Amino acid sequence: DQQVKQNSPSLSVQEGRISILNCDYTNSMFDYFLWYKKYPAEGPTFLISISSIKDKNEDGRFTVFLNKSAKHLSLHIVPSQPGDSAVYFCAASRLATDKLIFGTGTRLQVFP
Amino acid sequence: NAGVTQTPKFQVLKTGQSMTLQCAQDMNHNSMYWYRQDPGMGLRLIYYSASEGTTDKGEVPNGYNVSRLNKREFSLRLESAAPSQTSVYFCASTGSGSTQYFGPGTRLTVL
Repeated sequence: DQQVKQNSPSLSVQEGRISILNCDYTNSMFDYFLWYKKYPAEGPTFLISISSIKDKNEDGRFTVFLNKSAKHLSLHIVPSQPGDSAVYFCAASRLATDKLIFGTGTRLQVFP
Repeated sequence: NAGVTQTPKFQVLKTGQSMTLQCAQDMNHNSMYWYRQDPGMGLRLIYYSASEGTTDKGEVPNGYNVSRLNKREFSLRLESAAPSQTSVYFCASTGSGSTQYFGPGTRLTVL
C-alpha cells in the first residue's frame, strides 16, 4: 500500500510559466512533508518542507501548499527555468520517527 | 564539509558475490539511512540507524545487512548478490528533524 503517491510520472512546462507538481498521501498521522529534487547521477537534494501546522511555505521561486483535509500537497515553481528540469520527489514523515516515506517521483522538463 | 560520501560509485557483481557499500557523513548527524531507487518505485528504505550502535529494518531489508561502525559511518552489505538487487543505492543522514541529506549514490549491477 503506497502511502505517498505522485500520480503524474512526467510534466512538461515552458520556460517562464508555472510548474505545479502534485502529491497525495493516505496516512493522516504524517505531520511533516518535504520536496526533494534529483538530477541524473546525483543524490536527491532537499528543496523545501512544510509542517502540518501550516498550509503554505515559500522559498524564492518555490512554494509548497498543504491541504490536510484532502491529504494533498503541491509544489509550485514560478517562473520555471530550464535548470529546474529534474525528478521531484515528495516525502512525508511523522516527526517523532525521522523516517521518510517517498513518492515515486515526477520528471519535470522545462523547455525554452 | 563533504556532507555524505559513498563508495564505490559503480559496481558490477556476478550472482552470488558479496560486497559492502560504504557511507560516511561529516555533519555529526545521529541518524543514517540506506535506500534503493528503482524505476517507477521511488526511494525505498532498506535499513536505518537512529544512533551509533543501533540498526533497524526498513521496508525492503531482505538480502542486506548493515553495520553502524561509529557515528560517521554506516555500511550496507550484500552477502550473496542477486539480479533483483540491481539498483541505485543512496545513503542519507539527518540531525534534528526529518530533513535528510543524501550521498551521490552507488549504481550496482548484478549479472
